[in-house]
Amino acid sequence: DSGVTQTPKHLITATGQRVTLRCSPRSGDLSVYWYQQSLDQGLQFLIQYYNGEERAKGNILERFSAQQFPDLHSELNLSSLELGDSALYFCASSVVSYTEAFFGQGTRLTVV
Amino acid sequence: EDQVTQSPEALRLQEGESSSLNCSYTVSGLRGLFWYRQDPGKGPEFLFTLYSAGEEKEKERLKATLTKKESFLHITAPKPEDSATYLCAVQTGGTSYGKLTFGQGTILTVHP
Repeated sequence: DSGVTQTPKHLITATGQRVTLRCSPRSGDLSVYWYQQSLDQGLQFLIQYYNGEERAKGNILERFSAQQFPDLHSELNLSSLELGDSALYFCASSVVSYTEAFFGQGTRLTVV
Repeated sequence: EDQVTQSPEALRLQEGESSSLNCSYTVSGLRGLFWYRQDPGKGPEFLFTLYSAGEEKEKERLKATLTKKESFLHITAPKPEDSATYLCAVQTGGTSYGKLTFGQGTILTVHP
């Protein structure tokens, strides 16, 4: 158990809908990262927050947004969902930016 | 753009048959190289961080090494429970902060 908690574990939704994925980082970790893993693209970095502020952005779609709250948990919002958004979404956390990140068990999103 | 290439894509070993996985990288300013293990449907599990050429880290049957262009993950006398996908990732400095760029992974299967 990495100490990073993601909910829900599975999510099935229809195209055009909006979903929210939740992540609780390890106790004491200030940095939270979101990654997307699909069969053809591998693990792709989406966005990083550090102590509530956005720090780095990857190829995150405009339909996707995230935030980190004062209690350091984070949410990833995915809207206007398309079939191609079906993937595993991972949250990871680290103490600060340049240390090892620990991953949660992921949320499997299926868009039908 | 940072690039990470892992080889081979898949590796099948007999129990006890030692081998190595390769991770070659092209980055501007390596800050750290990370190895993770991922079981199907699970989040990546942190194994090692390497920061400078010549550095080596060991954990049970695994040993990671780093040169200026590549890293190796050596597996000595593997057991079936070592079967997993092994992921290599790089972290650079500057505005990338804690972002990890992952390779596509090596799928290791160890037969009893």
